[in-house]
Amino acid sequence: GAVVSQHPSRVICKSGTSVKIECRSLDFQATTMFWYRQFPKKSLMLMATSNEGSKATYEQGVEKDKFLINHASLTLSTLTVTSAHPEDSSFYICSARGLPHRNSPLHFGNGTRLTVT
Amino acid sequence: GIQVEQSPPDLILQEGANSTLRCNFSDSVNNLQWFHQNPWGQLINLFYIPSGTKQNGRLSATTVATERYSLLYISSSQTTDSGVYFCAVDGSGGSNYKLTFGKGTLLTVNP
Repeated sequence: GAVVSQHPSRVICKSGTSVKIECRSLDFQATTMFWYRQFPKKSLMLMATSNEGSKATYEQGVEKDKFLINHASLTLSTLTVTSAHPEDSSFYICSARGLPHRNSPLHFGNGTRLTVT
Repeated sequence: GIQVEQSPPDLILQEGANSTLRCNFSDSVNNLQWFHQNPWGQLINLFYIPSGTKQNGRLSATTVATERYSLLYISSSQTTDSGVYFCAVDGSGGSNYKLTFGKGTLLTVNP
């Protein structure tokens, strides 16, 4: 159980275009999902917390207008990288936690490798 | 926020050797997880272990919450164990139960 599906796994786009990444909890409901970013050979940095039915909470230094997050249902959160630039190239990973939220592990999708040319 | 330190940063082993990875954290935690990130970037849940000891095959983990550290033991290592091992914690004061990651230990197991 507790499978998180992320799509696409890899995307290449041109500078200036927007890219949408989907994160789905397949067999559980997730009122809260998390989006992380990872640079090569670095750790995972939390970008934002996605709350179902309300606005996302962004970490300090993360541009909310650049990284649009929508969490319209209990099983789907999306991250849209708007007007992408080469410096947005990175590995993006989503995660979700099943109930009970406080005392259960976080499960991760397989990540999306974004390359902006 | 909570600080997470992992050691060693890099570790090279011969196949069959044992190893211990350490994770220190700066505050009380509700949640501590160990992950293995494979060369394709996939994060594999190894243990959910805010306290106590767990074992799964050749891997085991111990968290001593009162002393704010956790250990991951790998026995009889195999080349497929290579990758980055992350410790991640959720501070007890948090309201969204988000995980903060350490910088990881890069493990290389040579045949």
